[in-house]
Amino acid sequence: DTAVSQTPKYLVTQMGNDKSIKCEQNLGHDTMYWYKQDSKKFLKIMFSYNNKELIINETVPNRFSPKSPDKAHLNLHINSLELGDSAVYFCASSGLSGLSGNTIYFGEGSWLTVV
Amino acid sequence: QQQVKQSPQSLIVQKGGISIINCAYENTAFDYFPWYQQFPGKGPALLIAIRPDVSEKKEGRFTISFNKSAKQFSLHIMDSQPGDSATYFCAASILGGSYIPTFGRGTSLIVHP
Repeated sequence: DTAVSQTPKYLVTQMGNDKSIKCEQNLGHDTMYWYKQDSKKFLKIMFSYNNKELIINETVPNRFSPKSPDKAHLNLHINSLELGDSAVYFCASSGLSGLSGNTIYFGEGSWLTVV
Repeated sequence: QQQVKQSPQSLIVQKGGISIINCAYENTAFDYFPWYQQFPGKGPALLIAIRPDVSEKKEGRFTISFNKSAKQFSLHIMDSQPGDSATYFCAASILGGSYIPTFGRGTSLIVHP
């Protein structure tokens, strides 16, 4: 069973479109994240949710909006896609109540290409 | 401000050699230092981690060396294999609080057969 699953794995879309990436974790974790990985492999945290509540919102354009319907799901909506949004987006989760020190479990990534 | 500095950015090693990746941190409150391994097309996954109460932790061919006074820690991969070719990330965190781990910028390791 996949611990953190995200769909779609590949997404090619045109500039200006709106797209969503879905994420689900079956680990029973309280905290979920979205990371962006650029072409240089740098992992940048975008959002963190704890029990459906937004905890961290790094400097991310407001075209990106996370939505957490329950603590097992954290979806990412992106409006008005731009070329610079092309990247790999990773959903992740970590366990128990504390955000720190716990192992972060990553999904396999969603490759977004904006043309 | 980059709180965890990782080097080198890329590393090429021959099969059987030793791969060494270094990280330095600034925040003395960090007390948990994991390393993640990411294969192409996959998400990062925890490889090995260390607490600052020990200076070394070994799991198979992978060893973390930790120098608290220098605020540095490193990953050593002994007898490197082509299957170790991946991107490695160091990270630092604070246990028991609400701190999200800070990642280094990653090291791309290639092990030639």
